[in-house]
Formats: sequence, structure tokens, C-alpha cells
Amino acid sequence: DAKTTQPTSMDCAEGRAANLPCNHSTISGNEYVYWYRQIHSQGPQYIIHGLKNNETNEMASLIITEDRKSSTLILPHATLRDTAVYYCIVRTDTGRRALTFGSGTRLQVQP
Amino acid sequence: DAGVIQSPRHEVTEMGQEVTLRCKPISGHNSLFWYRQTMMRGLELLIYFNNNVPIDDSGMPEDRFSAKMPNASFSTLKIQPSEPRDSAVYFCASRGQGRSSNQPQHFGDGTRLSIL
Repeated sequence: DAKTTQPTSMDCAEGRAANLPCNHSTISGNEYVYWYRQIHSQGPQYIIHGLKNNETNEMASLIITEDRKSSTLILPHATLRDTAVYYCIVRTDTGRRALTFGSGTRLQVQP
Repeated sequence: DAGVIQSPRHEVTEMGQEVTLRCKPISGHNSLFWYRQTMMRGLELLIYFNNNVPIDDSGMPEDRFSAKMPNASFSTLKIQPSEPRDSAVYFCASRGQGRSSNQPQHFGDGTRLSIL
């Protein structure tokens, strides 16, 4: 799995967009970018994943740079319930191998 | 849609007792994973099933741990006898096959296990 680098922590005002960056300069051509989050006392929650095109779902948008060396997870209208640790994972085939979470970014949404 | 369902949510028991954790994967998913999470070691994979068959159990700590998946909608993780060092949050995750091999894993809310 390619190494990822994320800021340790970020703050965001409630109702504003939260933009969480991730660097993955060693990503290979067949590796996907996945985002998960873990809210205190809950299981890891899948958010979104993509290969090279930008992706959007009901939770978030994923913007991947053209060279694929970095990406940004966007929560368009952050709420207090979005306070969590967000993990960027770069890998191929989530089939049989374990997910490995790094340190992630602790996002604190402020009222 | 119902997500991955785990029970119990919390378990407190004395060392030496048998503990059984239960998991119901998302309907239609054919892969199931058992993980353990601690502050010291983070998230560790214990065992992985595909189509109800154990594929990789190299993460199971020792013979005290066993896991079964008798059908596509149910799995158990058993610890016998339990020890204080088994205290952790145990997560079950499932994954669908889909049209792409890069389907994500979906996690339950875990069982918080405390062995006294």
C-alpha cells in the first residue's frame, strides 16, 4: 500500500465545507484512494473511494489531482456529527487483505 | 439498508470465562472480516472469510481464539478461556463482490470487551 500523509488535526466551522487533504506521492497506477472515518465509540465508516476521476456521493466529494499524488476529501456542509478521525488509505483490492489505518486527521467541527 | 450488526455491544466478564461475539454481515456480501482494535496496536485483522470459508486466520492470536461462519448471514468469534489482555474493541466488517474488485469494507459498531 502506498504511504499517505495527512495533517494531524483540523478545525472547521459548522455549516462550512471541510477540506481534508492527503498526500500519496508514491501511488501506483492501479491503486485506489479510499476514505474512512471513525467517530468515537463507533466502527470505521466507509466514506468514498476513487481511482483517477473525481467522485461524489451523498456523504462527500473526492478530488484527485491529475498526477494522482494527492487528493482532498470535501464534506460540503460540515455538522457537529462529522467530528471524527478521517483516514486516507491508498491500496488495491480490499479483498483479502486487512485495512491498515494510519494516524489520520482529527477533524473538530466547531459550533 | 441495515449495516453490519454486531452483538453484544458491550461485554464484561471475568478471566477464564468463555466469550462469544456475534456478527451479521450486510445481506449479499460474500466476504467477512474480524478485527481487533486497541490503543496500543491499532486495528488488527484476526480472520477473513470468503463465501463462508476461512481464507486467512494468520492474525488469530492463539488457540484460545476461534471463528466460525456457518452460513452467509452469521459469524461468531469465540475466546476460551478469556484473559485480561484480550480486552479490546472487536469489529466485524463485510464486503460485497460487486462488479469491481475494489469494493470497500463496511464495519459494524463493534463489541467492547473487558476481561477482569
